[in-house]
Amino acid sequence: EPEVTQTPSHQVTQMGQEVILRCVPISNHLYFYWYRQILGQKVEFLVSFYNNEISEKSEIFDDQFSVERPDGSNFTLKIRSTKLEDSAMYFCASSEQASGGNEQFFGPGTRLTVL
Amino acid sequence: AQSVAQPEDQVNVAEGNPLTVKCTYSVSGNPYLFWYVQYPNRGLQFLLKYITGDNLVKGSYGFEAEFNKSQTSFHLKKPSALVSDSALYFCAVRDQNTGGFKTIFGAGTRLFVKA
Repeated sequence: EPEVTQTPSHQVTQMGQEVILRCVPISNHLYFYWYRQILGQKVEFLVSFYNNEISEKSEIFDDQFSVERPDGSNFTLKIRSTKLEDSAMYFCASSEQASGGNEQFFGPGTRLTVL
Repeated sequence: AQSVAQPEDQVNVAEGNPLTVKCTYSVSGNPYLFWYVQYPNRGLQFLLKYITGDNLVKGSYGFEAEFNKSQTSFHLKKPSALVSDSALYFCAVRDQNTGGFKTIFGAGTRLFVKA
C-alpha cells in the first residue's frame, strides 16, 4: 500500500539554525500539507500546497517557514531560524484530488528538537 | 471560524463493550468531517469521513460515526471494543464553503480499552 514517508525521523538542532524536513507524498496525489503537533497538544495546520504554490496557510506559518517541491517526488518544509517553541512533531500529508472531501494520508512524522 | 471540540481527554471502556468518542464542530458552511487515529510514534491514520448523504458512515476496523447536523456532532462509535483499539483519536473538520484545504483538528481523545 502506498504511503507518505518522512525524513529524518528525529532532528536535533540549535536555536537559530536552519532545518529542512523532507517528505515524499504518495505518487499520484496532488495536494500536500504540513502539520505540527507540539507534545501533548493538538495537531495544527501549517500549510497546504498545490500546483507548485501555497494554497492556504495558517497564522503559524510566518516568514520563517517555507515549503518547496524541488522535484517530482519531494516536498520540503524549511524553518530558517529555529526557535525553542518550534520543537514539535511535524507531519506531512497528501491527498489525491481537488475535492475538499478527500481524506489526507499522513506520514510518520519528524520529531524536531530545538536546543 | 472553524473549530472542533472533543470534550473528553480520555475514554475508558472494557473490551467487548460499546465505545463512543464524542466530537462537536463549528463551521460557517457545511462541513466535511473526519476521524483519524494515532498509534504511538505513528502518523495519523484515516478512519472515516462524512461528506454528504447518509448520516451514518462506516469506516475502518468496525468504526462508525453519526453526523447530527442539529447538534453539530460527529461522534465516533464501535459496537464492541478491542484492546487493540487503544489509541489517540482525532476528530477533524473542513468547511466545504471556503474552498480551501485547511483542516482543523480537535485536541484528541485517548481511548483505553481494558481486557
